Amino acid sequence: AQSVAQPEDQVNVAEGNPLTVKCTYSVSGNPYLFWYVQYPNRGLQFLLKYITGDNLVKGSYGFEAEFNKSQTSFHLKKPSALVSDSALYFCAVRDRGGYQKVTFGIGTKLQVIP
Amino acid sequence: NAGVMQNPRHLVRRRGQEARLRCSPMKGHSHVYWYRQLPEEGLKFMVYLQKENIIDESGMPKERFSAEFPKEGPSILRIQQVVRGDSAAYFCASSPPTDTYEQYFGPGTRLTVT
Repeated sequence: AQSVAQPEDQVNVAEGNPLTVKCTYSVSGNPYLFWYVQYPNRGLQFLLKYITGDNLVKGSYGFEAEFNKSQTSFHLKKPSALVSDSALYFCAVRDRGGYQKVTFGIGTKLQVIP
Repeated sequence: NAGVMQNPRHLVRRRGQEARLRCSPMKGHSHVYWYRQLPEEGLKFMVYLQKENIIDESGMPKERFSAEFPKEGPSILRIQQVVRGDSAAYFCASSPPTDTYEQYFGPGTRLTVT
């Protein structure tokens, strides 16, 4: 079975400061990993994905994530937070060996303080 | 290219009534996924469908819930005899027949059971 853990319910960061949203995963094989963002009363928007290759993945809106196989982590990062980044962030995992079923974490609320 | 469409966006039902939620995938997409998001909880997988086939319904409650994706027309998530605990946001996502890994989400249907 595959699973995702997002250990922080909420992350607060001051505008202009770097931000990190944590994610660890568990799959039986090698993973595909994703980050999505959800703004209030909206659907999820795709941010970035790790499929293969470079462990540092760059995505939309200046976000990036680093795949760490030994720590089974895929933390989301951004060098300088914007107030408009305030939203709910979901990490997701999919087992390479399986079909397209994706398992999502429970989400981390990011609050960027002006 | 229109995104994933869901309707209605808001649905109010009394206990015991039926709820029908519709999802039109993006053009060219033949895979559809339904998720449920409860307040303060993450996104829970319900069912994965391809045209005229249910691939995985492991996340669907055993009773009252059903889903279909006919050859023509939208995917339908049907909830019979709704109860207050069914109140949630229901999201549909789609992906193309060739695996591009990420899923594209609709805006969701917010079901309220009174």
